[in-house]
Amino acid sequence: DAMVIQNPRYQVTQFGKPVTLSCSQTLNHNVMYWYQQKSSQAPKLLFHYYDKDFNNEADTPDNFQSRRPNTSFCFLDIRSPGLGDAAMYLCATSRGSWGNQPQHFGDGTRLSIL
Amino acid sequence: DAKTTQPNSMESNEEEPVHLPCNHSTISGTDYIHWYRQLPSQGPEYVIHGLTSNVNNRMASLAIAEDRKSSTLILHRATLRDAAVYYCILPTSGNTGKLIFGQGTTLQVKP
Repeated sequence: DAMVIQNPRYQVTQFGKPVTLSCSQTLNHNVMYWYQQKSSQAPKLLFHYYDKDFNNEADTPDNFQSRRPNTSFCFLDIRSPGLGDAAMYLCATSRGSWGNQPQHFGDGTRLSIL
Repeated sequence: DAKTTQPNSMESNEEEPVHLPCNHSTISGTDYIHWYRQLPSQGPEYVIHGLTSNVNNRMASLAIAEDRKSSTLILHRATLRDAAVYYCILPTSGNTGKLIFGQGTTLQVKP
C-alpha cells in the first residue's frame, strides 16, 4: 500500500495560472519535503516542514510556496508557473530530521505548462 | 556539507553481483551514508544506510571502508528490475536530514 501519495500523477496548467499539487502520507511522519526534478537531472530540494515549522531552501524561487494544514497533508503552490517550472515534483517524508532517518518518496506529479 | 563522487554509469549482467562505488573523502564523523535508487518514472526509493559498520537488508548490502572515505553498495544478484539511477548521499550536516542529490550512477542490467 502506498504510504506517500501524490495527486494527481500528471498535471497540466497554463502559463501563469496558479496550480496546487498535493501530497498525503499514512506514516504519521514529522517531516515532509518537496523536491523538484527536471528532465535528466537529480531531484532538488525546494523546502521542508518539520511539524509546522517551514524551512525554505535559499535558492527556491518566491513563486513556490507550501502549506501543511495537518500531519498528513502537504501542498505545493506555484503562484505563476513559467515554462521553466515544468518538472516532476516529488514529495517525501521522514520520521525525524536526523541523518539516520530514511526518506520515503511518493511517485511524483509531473507538471506540464502550456 | 560532505560531497559524494560516483561513476556516471555501470553495466552488469543479470544474476551477477553488482558493486556500486561511492567516494566521500570529506565525510565527518557523524555523517550517515545513505543510498537511494530511482527507477524510470518513479520517485526515489530508499535502499540502505549506515554509519560505520557494514549493513545488510533484504535489498542490498552496504560495505563501508574503515576510514569511511568510501563505501560500496552491493546488489547480490542483479535483476532487470534493478536497472535504475543509484544515489549515494550524505544527509546535510547538523542532522537536518536534508538530502542533496548528486547525479548518481545509472545502472544498466543486461539479460
